[in-house]
Amino acid sequence: EAGVTQFPSHSVIEKGQTVTLRCDPISGHDNLYWYRRVMGKEIKFLLHFVKESKQDESGMPNNRFLAERTGGTYSTLKVQPAELEDSGVYFCASSRSWDFRDTQYFGPGTRLTVL
Amino acid sequence: AQSVTQLGSHVSVSEGALVLLRCNYSSSVPPYLFWYVQYPNQGLQLLLKYTTGATLVKGINGFEAEFKKSETSFHLTKPSAHMSDAAEYFCAVTEGNTGFQKLVFGTGTRLLVSP
Repeated sequence: EAGVTQFPSHSVIEKGQTVTLRCDPISGHDNLYWYRRVMGKEIKFLLHFVKESKQDESGMPNNRFLAERTGGTYSTLKVQPAELEDSGVYFCASSRSWDFRDTQYFGPGTRLTVL
Repeated sequence: AQSVTQLGSHVSVSEGALVLLRCNYSSSVPPYLFWYVQYPNQGLQLLLKYTTGATLVKGINGFEAEFKKSETSFHLTKPSAHMSDAAEYFCAVTEGNTGFQKLVFGTGTRLLVSP
């Protein structure tokens, strides 16, 4: 069974540009999460999809971030326009159910650098 | 809001020595607690988790952790370190009582193992 995959693994962009990150969850996992880790700080929750619906987007920093999950399969996270403080590692995770006892499986992350 | 504190951003041990990584949490509701590990260029991998029941939890690769409610702690231990244990370790707790799983992470502890 393939794990969670993320693309690209690294992205370097200029301030003001747009970047789109992609996450492919494990097949059959209805729940998809985005997290972000900024410069050695804690990993912070961004949002949670159940199938194609946003269940919780309380962690999204501002309206420059747009997450989508069309068809309930893969998800994209777009940052437009990117700012310096958006640099960090963006992790995607998926789980079969939303039950507390169900494991979240994480992808390797996308390292975003905004210059 | 729940929070997690990991004492020590870096911990160094010799191969064969005891590994002790500290994690304290704050929560107003019974927590579910997790330890994840991230090896270089890989995603976060679940080491172990506490949901209910036995407070001493055994995980993969010889790691275990004990939930101590009175101390609000969930320290991770391994009797004898291997070189392959060198990685970054994250303690996490579920937040809220909504039934939806949103992880709150600590800042991580990098374990260095010397020969």
